[in-house]
Amino acid sequence: NAGVTQTPKFRVLKTGQSMTLLCAQDMNHEYMYWYRQDPGMGLRLIHYSVGEGTTAKGEVPDGYNVSRLKKQNFLLGLESAAPSQTSVYFCASSNPLNEQFFGPGTRLTVL
Amino acid sequence: QQPVQSPQAVILREGEDAVINCSSSKALYSVHWYRQKHGEAPVFLMILLKGGEQKGHEKISASFNEKKQQSSLYLTASQLSYSGTYFCGTDQGAQKLVFGQGTRLTINP
Repeated sequence: NAGVTQTPKFRVLKTGQSMTLLCAQDMNHEYMYWYRQDPGMGLRLIHYSVGEGTTAKGEVPDGYNVSRLKKQNFLLGLESAAPSQTSVYFCASSNPLNEQFFGPGTRLTVL
Repeated sequence: QQPVQSPQAVILREGEDAVINCSSSKALYSVHWYRQKHGEAPVFLMILLKGGEQKGHEKISASFNEKKQQSSLYLTASQLSYSGTYFCGTDQGAQKLVFGQGTRLTINP
């Protein structure tokens, strides 16, 4: 089992560019999450999904969109990147006890 | 609302004990603890589901006082491998976690 995987691992964007981060899990989990992590801020929830075809906003959703077309995949999109979106992005999925399994992260820099 | 962790940072010698606290201003269904090593993803340690419940994981245990909306993580006879940043996450409903800002633990030989 690969668990939770994320692609890419690193990315550098210019302001205004767009990109999509891909998260995949092979544990058949219903719930999936996207977080961003900034120094001293902990993990903040961007969007989450309670099942295939559903998405919902978290604490800091502005500037991001998500899609969950397949149960195993959760995509995070940035339509017009801004320097404030420079961060480390983690995807996670959870079992029914809400034990969350995190991917290795994507380090994004927006210039 | 984000739970508050204290202290923000701890430096110990190997073999010493540490306590990390997590408190919330909102009623809690459960408290979750994670550890993150530098440059890696957070890793699940334990969930506390009931008020007053204590759980253990190796020499790491935790308590959850539902009434006071607080949880504490206890690290006994710390090992070098315990170094990292510890996060509490509070489940305030709908299977979403709100994480604290983290406590950085450094263990020196």
